[in-house]
Amino acid sequence: SSELTQDPAVSVALGQTVRITCQGDSLRNYCASWYQQKPGQAPILVIYGENNRPSGIPDRFSGSSSGNTASLTITGAQAEDEADYYCNSRDSSGGRWVFGGGTKLTVL
Amino acid sequence: QVQLAQSGAEVKKPGASVKVSCKASGYSFTSHYMHWVRQAPGQGLEWMGVINPSGDSTNYAQKFQGRVTMTRDTSTSTDYMEVTSLRSEDTAVYYCARDFSGYFGEKAGWWFDPWGQGTLVTVSS
Repeated sequence: SSELTQDPAVSVALGQTVRITCQGDSLRNYCASWYQQKPGQAPILVIYGENNRPSGIPDRFSGSSSGNTASLTITGAQAEDEADYYCNSRDSSGGRWVFGGGTKLTVL
Repeated sequence: QVQLAQSGAEVKKPGASVKVSCKASGYSFTSHYMHWVRQAPGQGLEWMGVINPSGDSTNYAQKFQGRVTMTRDTSTSTDYMEVTSLRSEDTAVYYCARDFSGYFGEKAGWWFDPWGQGTLVTVSS
């Protein structure tokens, strides 16, 4: 079982806003990073340091954190945002890293 | 540009070993840690371990202790990840990913960017 918990699946209507959450005790002490993975492709970084976007990532992607929960928000979801999303952080002991189980985002 | 180029797909029999390589280019190799992550078919991402910039220290997920070895050749900017005593459950795509870290307010954060293209390892008799 993962120390970071994500909802397995979320759906959003085209152009609407969706929030994907990641829960875990370690998130009280460490920032989460978020990765997008499309079928047959390697993951790509979309958010780091809780709310920083790498160059090339659209500004409709944003991150936030409160208590033991980190969130990835897509404002105005596009068809190309349909993918699996994973959060990552250090584990509770701070010694290793852990991924959430992933959230499959469907854009309707 | 920054690239991580991994070795090609492998097919191994149960009990064998496999060694996957990850050649870095476009940045200072000895300035970054490197992580290894795997993904079984239809499953999520699983963190395996990390090697430090000089290659003399590693940190493995408990699940892989004793069966995984990560090494680094700084002369060729190449990282290696070896898995021994392979079993069918090790069938997966294995990725390398460059490490970054920083402080954001009072919290430390780490992130992986970029990732290699992945290496499919199939374990089958």
